[in-house]
Parts: sequence; C-alpha cells; structure tokens
Amino acid sequence: EAQVTQNPRYLITVTGKKLTVTCSQNMNHEYMSWYRQDPGLGLRQIYYSMNVEVTDKGDVPEGYKVSRKEKRNFPLILESPSPNQTSLYFCASSLRLGSGSPLHFGNGTRLTVT
Amino acid sequence: GQNIDQPTEMTATEGAIVQINCTYQTSGFNGLFWYQQHAGEAPTFLSYNVLDGLEEKGRFSSFLSRSKGYSYLLLKELQMKDSASYLCAVRDGDSWGKFQFGAGTQVVVTP
Repeated sequence: EAQVTQNPRYLITVTGKKLTVTCSQNMNHEYMSWYRQDPGLGLRQIYYSMNVEVTDKGDVPEGYKVSRKEKRNFPLILESPSPNQTSLYFCASSLRLGSGSPLHFGNGTRLTVT
Repeated sequence: GQNIDQPTEMTATEGAIVQINCTYQTSGFNGLFWYQQHAGEAPTFLSYNVLDGLEEKGRFSSFLSRSKGYSYLLLKELQMKDSASYLCAVRDGDSWGKFQFGAGTQVVVTP
C-alpha cells in the first residue's frame, strides 16, 4: 500500500532530551516536508526537501534539524526539545512539485515536551 | 511570504451547500490546494487550482481568482461525513517547495 509512515505516533519526553521522529515513504516521491500543527495556527512548514541531499528551511525551522540521505526517508531531529515544541507533527511527500501533485501526509506524531 | 485567511467555522444542514472562502496575500503564487482533515487524522487532498476558474470534482468544486487573491471550495449535497476541517494551502511562486496553510475552516453538518 502506498503510504507515508511516521514513527512514533505518540511521544512524551523531557526538556533537552534529543529525539528523532522518523518519516518514510514508499512511493518514490522526490519531495518531502515536515509540518507542525497547533490550534488556531494551522499547519506550519518546518523544513522541506526537493530531493536527496537537498533540504531547505520552511517558516518555523528553529530548534529542528532534518536530513535526506535516501529518497524514502526524511527524519526530523530535535536536538534539545523545549515545551514550546509540544505539537502535532506531520510529514508529507509529493511525487514532484510540477503541476498539481498533491501532498500525501503521514498519520502524525503527537509530541509532548515536559 | 503568504498570509492566508479563511473562516474559523461554518455550520450547514445535511443536503445543503456550503462555500468556504480563502483569501491570500502573496509575494509569489504557484497553485492553491484544498485539503480535508477529519479530527485526529491526516489531511487528504481535495482539489488544486493554478489557473483562474472553476474545477469540479463530484460534489466538490474549487474556484480561483488570482487577480483577487481569492479561492473558494464548494461542497454540495452535504453529508454527515463531510464534517471536518478544510484547509486552504498556497504554494510559493518563488520557492516551489514552500507551502503556506490557512488555519482551517471547521465545517459542522447537522441533521
């Protein structure tokens, strides 16, 4: 089944403890991106990647890192999480960005930082 | 950057029609998407507009006016399962990988 898989679905951690949220897609998509979703603010883009080894900042990149060493994987790294990073995170991929190729979203990761 | 506005909530009756407006202010534009998001779930793609005009897909239609920075999503023959949040998203014209989303419009369908 074609899908974007995020892990874990739920994560509770403490301030400062490094964590990684994994994202993998099996559709051979070139483009991948990360978003956080907070009440009243909608989805805000953290980072995106147009292809392997190419990553760029979105609107809210502070406190996050990403890497794209392989086409299928795009992990999100929080080196030193803080409570203001408590949020619902979505990974998304798209075949390519020409025309109307839509974003395919993973099921989300709900992160709580205490 | 982009600034995207859409109403917070709309209520409509089963079988009726609802129109969700989205306005955007853009430094560049390369397409507008509509997504549906049920509570606790991932957004799913509904429609795409890049040229002015109406795109129809079954019960859902979407319209775009680039000169006015305006789009709407029209939901016809509303069903209870259409109760969800509807997200308007604009792709940046200068950086194709950048997307901006509106905060979403919660549609409540009543019997």
